Amino acid sequence: DAEITQSPRHKITETGRQVTLACHQTWNHNNMFWYRQDLGHGLRLIHYSYGVHDTNKGEVSDGYSVSRSNTEDLPLTLESAASSQTSVYFCASSEFGTGGVSPLHFGNGTRLTVT
Amino acid sequence: QQQVKQSPQSLIVQKGGISIINCAYENTAFDYFPWYQQFPGKGPALLIAIRPDVSEKKEGRFTISFNKSAKQFSLHIMDSQPGDSATYFCAASIQGGSEKLVFGKGTKLTVNP
Repeated sequence: DAEITQSPRHKITETGRQVTLACHQTWNHNNMFWYRQDLGHGLRLIHYSYGVHDTNKGEVSDGYSVSRSNTEDLPLTLESAASSQTSVYFCASSEFGTGGVSPLHFGNGTRLTVT
Repeated sequence: QQQVKQSPQSLIVQKGGISIINCAYENTAFDYFPWYQQFPGKGPALLIAIRPDVSEKKEGRFTISFNKSAKQFSLHIMDSQPGDSATYFCAASIQGGSEKLVFGKGTKLTVNP
């Protein structure tokens, strides 16, 4: 079965360190997304990609970057981790862009703690 | 500015009861309204969705009611079961585009046996 795999599931890092969260999907979807989930804020979009070499900023993109070198992977990098970036991060993918009803398929998340 | 307001933040229901979660939106350009269900330790998963050309959509025990004039939509869970205990997110987007999907803040539902 197709799926989205996120790694690691849990990560503890120190303030100022660079951190990369991995996301790998086998749906063969063009669209991929990164969200963060925080209590009281729901899900907020960080970055998204429509395809290889395409990346776009979401609602809360400051301090984060992504790159898309193939269809399957969209790693999320925190350039210099801050305590405000302690959160649960979800990767998702979908089949269509605008104009189509395309459900998001989510991974199981990475819990990141910045100390 | 929050575009989708969801209430209540938490909800406790007895087994067999009806769970009701409400959402209100501001942007009249929204034309796709999905609900996502999230169990602890898992990512959200699409539960049910509606377009504004219908006022109600039912799938099993789950029903979306949509009121376009009031810019409100709600999720009803009939005969609620302990297995329905999860966090529910309403969302809205324009032209069904996932990149434009705006989520509510979520409702934690607990169904007591």
